[in-house]
Amino acid sequence: EAGVTQSPTHLIKTRGQQATLRCSPISGHTSVYWYQQALGLGLQFLLWYDEGEERNRGNFPPRFSGRQFPNYSSELNVNALELEDSALYLCASSHYNEQFFGPGTRLTVL
Amino acid sequence: KNQVEQSPQSLIILEGKNCTLQCNYTVSPFSNLRWYKQDTGRGPVSLTIMTFSENTKSNGRYTATLDADTKQSSLHITASQLSDSASYICVVSATTLVKTIFGAGTRLFVKA
Repeated sequence: EAGVTQSPTHLIKTRGQQATLRCSPISGHTSVYWYQQALGLGLQFLLWYDEGEERNRGNFPPRFSGRQFPNYSSELNVNALELEDSALYLCASSHYNEQFFGPGTRLTVL
Repeated sequence: KNQVEQSPQSLIILEGKNCTLQCNYTVSPFSNLRWYKQDTGRGPVSLTIMTFSENTKSNGRYTATLDADTKQSSLHITASQLSDSASYICVVSATTLVKTIFGAGTRLFVKA
């Protein structure tokens, strides 16, 4: 069974640009979660999508947005990038009570 | 306030030794507690998941315990290996995954 996949692996942008990160959940999982992990810090919850709907979002500004497609894959968009947006962005899909994480996308903002 | 606190923040042990990591939580109403291992720059990988009725669960050299009364959990690593060097994250969920709290993690360094 394939795990959660994320693309790209690394992404380098400059301040003010937009970044798009992609996630494909495990087959059969309908929920997708996005987390931000800044260097040396814990995971911060960003967004939760289930059945195509945004169910909840963390304490992040509106320039962090996303969507979930009919095949349950998801995109995370970050507009007007700031230097502090540099982090590892992790996607997870869930089955019942357990979340399975992807390898992450390392976003660097210069 | 829902919180998950892990200790120690970091730990250095010699290869072959055992160690125990702690997790205290105040998340309510409790649904489950999970331990993840996260290698540097990689996504977390699930080690164990325990619900209210379970007080111990093993996964190879990893054994997690849960005391739901005191709201404490521990992760015991036996006969540590260099590959155990990673961050270990305790995650506690309330009755819906909307309320899932991540601990800050314990950074384990295993030295030869």
